[in-house]
Amino acid sequence: SQTIHQWPATLVQPVGSPLSLECTVEGTSNPNLYWYRQAAGRGLQLLFYSVGIGQISSEVPQNLSASRPQDRQFILSSKKLLLSDSGFYLCAWDRARAYEQYFGPGTRLTVT
Amino acid sequence: GNSVTQMEGPVTLSEEAFLTINCTYTATGYPSLFWYVQYPGEGLQLLLKATKADDKGSNKGFEATYRKETTSFHLEKGSVQVSDSAVYFCALSGGLAYSGAGSYQLTFGKGTKLSVIP
Repeated sequence: SQTIHQWPATLVQPVGSPLSLECTVEGTSNPNLYWYRQAAGRGLQLLFYSVGIGQISSEVPQNLSASRPQDRQFILSSKKLLLSDSGFYLCAWDRARAYEQYFGPGTRLTVT
Repeated sequence: GNSVTQMEGPVTLSEEAFLTINCTYTATGYPSLFWYVQYPGEGLQLLLKATKADDKGSNKGFEATYRKETTSFHLEKGSVQVSDSAVYFCALSGGLAYSGAGSYQLTFGKGTKLSVIP
């Protein structure tokens, strides 16, 4: 069966510090991978998606970036965090040409 | 483009009450429809899905029927429990919202928070 991991689970970072969130998927190959952000009391915002190694599409211009160095690894980064980057970050995967996505447990990021 | 509208929350029900959370959508083509559930502090879990008109998705006592004529996918449960307290998201995928290279993006509603009290 497939499993998706995210770490860390929680993170408190000062404004202006760098960020690295990691997501890995087990039990499948060549998944599509997604990063979402969920601000407090709001819906989900798609940030990035990737259909293969090194292939990243950005949905919202901002100070975040994403990379996919390996088939089942997806990393969300920032060089300098803003207060507005606080939120719950969710990684998800699906199979190519499938419709439903499967989500990881999420990372709660608080920028102080 | 695609869009999903679901009823505003929060919704508060007593245990064993009947639940309906309304969801309507706008999409071109023939999308697949989903309900996801998010328990406090956790990621989203796929609750049920329907991939074509008149399909009924069901899981854990929850049901939703894909109604193309009314572009709706309302979530129902006959008797809610305290453990059903969560945020519920309606979503759609596919139709003509194809991103290329095998990726279908999900379009989510804003979520409905359900609280069930004993």
